[in-house]
Amino acid sequence: AQTVTQSQPEMSVQEAETVTLSCTYDTSESDYYLFWYKQPPSRQMILVIRQEAYKQQNATENRFSVNFQKAAKSFSLKISDSQLGDAAMYFCALTPHTSGTYKYIFGTGTRLKVLA
Amino acid sequence: ETGVTQTPRHLVMGMTNKKSLKCEQHLGHNAMYWYKQSAKKPLELMFVYSLEERVENNSVPSRFSPECPNSSHLFLHLHTLQPEDSALYLCASSQGGGGRNEQFFGPGTRLTVL
Repeated sequence: AQTVTQSQPEMSVQEAETVTLSCTYDTSESDYYLFWYKQPPSRQMILVIRQEAYKQQNATENRFSVNFQKAAKSFSLKISDSQLGDAAMYFCALTPHTSGTYKYIFGTGTRLKVLA
Repeated sequence: ETGVTQTPRHLVMGMTNKKSLKCEQHLGHNAMYWYKQSAKKPLELMFVYSLEERVENNSVPSRFSPECPNSSHLFLHLHTLQPEDSALYLCASSQGGGGRNEQFFGPGTRLTVL
């Protein structure tokens, strides 16, 4: 069975500071994708960043970067220079890299509060 | 309309009612998904349709019945629901699967079962 675990139900960060959200996963697949999604209050969930497991280089998207540790099955999200608009639920997700696969496994989410 | 839309946004129903949730995607995608989002639980994948054919059905009770008449529309028919079915129901779409293709989500339908 594949699982995704987010052990931090809630995190807070001061505006302009850096915060790291944790995610661990378990899978028997040799190749897979990992994602971080953001769900702002009462708004649609959007993709923040994606990592292909066979790529060793950590993905970055502007102020968002990941620390992907394949052996440890860890996939944390770092948000630099936090902004008020970063306040949201953040979900970590996993899917096998298999043609015709549509199975996505999500964690329970971390609620991020940004303090002015 | 752009992206993925869902109607209604809020729904309150009794346990004996029959209702339907509607999802429409305006992105030209060929795969559509239903998820259930409950507080403090992982997002649960319920159903997936690819090219209007159901490809995933994750042990969902029969009181939930999906329908995909074409690649742009997805419905979730509800009947004799239970209070524990109260949740946010999210629709998503993608162009293909396999992880390399981003999922685009709708705003969700907040369902309350009395």
